Amino acid sequence: SQQGEEDPQALSIQEGENATMNCSYKTSINNLQWYRQNSGRGLVHLILIRSNEREKHSGRLRVTLDTSKKSSSLLITASRAADTASYFCATDDRTSYDKVIFGPGTSLSVIP
Amino acid sequence: ETGVTQTPRHLVMGMTNKKSLKCEQHLGHNAMYWYKQSAKKPLELMFVYNFKEQTENNSVPSRFSPECPNSSHLFLHLHTLQPEDSALYLCASSQGAGRGFNYGYTFGSGTRLTVV
Repeated sequence: SQQGEEDPQALSIQEGENATMNCSYKTSINNLQWYRQNSGRGLVHLILIRSNEREKHSGRLRVTLDTSKKSSSLLITASRAADTASYFCATDDRTSYDKVIFGPGTSLSVIP
Repeated sequence: ETGVTQTPRHLVMGMTNKKSLKCEQHLGHNAMYWYKQSAKKPLELMFVYNFKEQTENNSVPSRFSPECPNSSHLFLHLHTLQPEDSALYLCASSQGAGRGFNYGYTFGSGTRLTVV
């Protein structure tokens, strides 16, 4: 079973709008991370939020974490066409050494 | 360039061939990883190396053989692959690994492998 699952699977918005993606996970975690992947390329690390943190900001990105609901959200404000990519959440597993599991991702399209 | 370099970028190989994928990082990271990304499937962790020692083998078939001669280099040796092994193979590195680690991964651009 997957540790992290993003929702929605695909999202299409107009440039300038905000985009929100959600991630749910199953087991206790030490941290949760968000990554971006442009088509056919490697993943780029966006932000890491620790289990004792509730919210974190980086530029136009805002990440929240609710460990009681085992969920996280990634908000991209004032989206740009260059934000078009797939976004993945990744969680470690407190019970498993060295294992970081990625969700299936949300495909975001920002229309100019 | 992210600091993690993967070669080759593209590889087409027959099922009886032997080839190797190479990954190199000069970020001073101690942990390196191989992931497999197939179409419409989540990234699958294959192997983890921490300070050159393999700490995770995620039930990967023996036709995939990793090698980590030092903390900067990681190889994935391939032999007698199947068409379903066609995928994007991603290498990543991080400052550390293990329980409670709080480091993001730096990924390479990947090797697009096609098995014919």
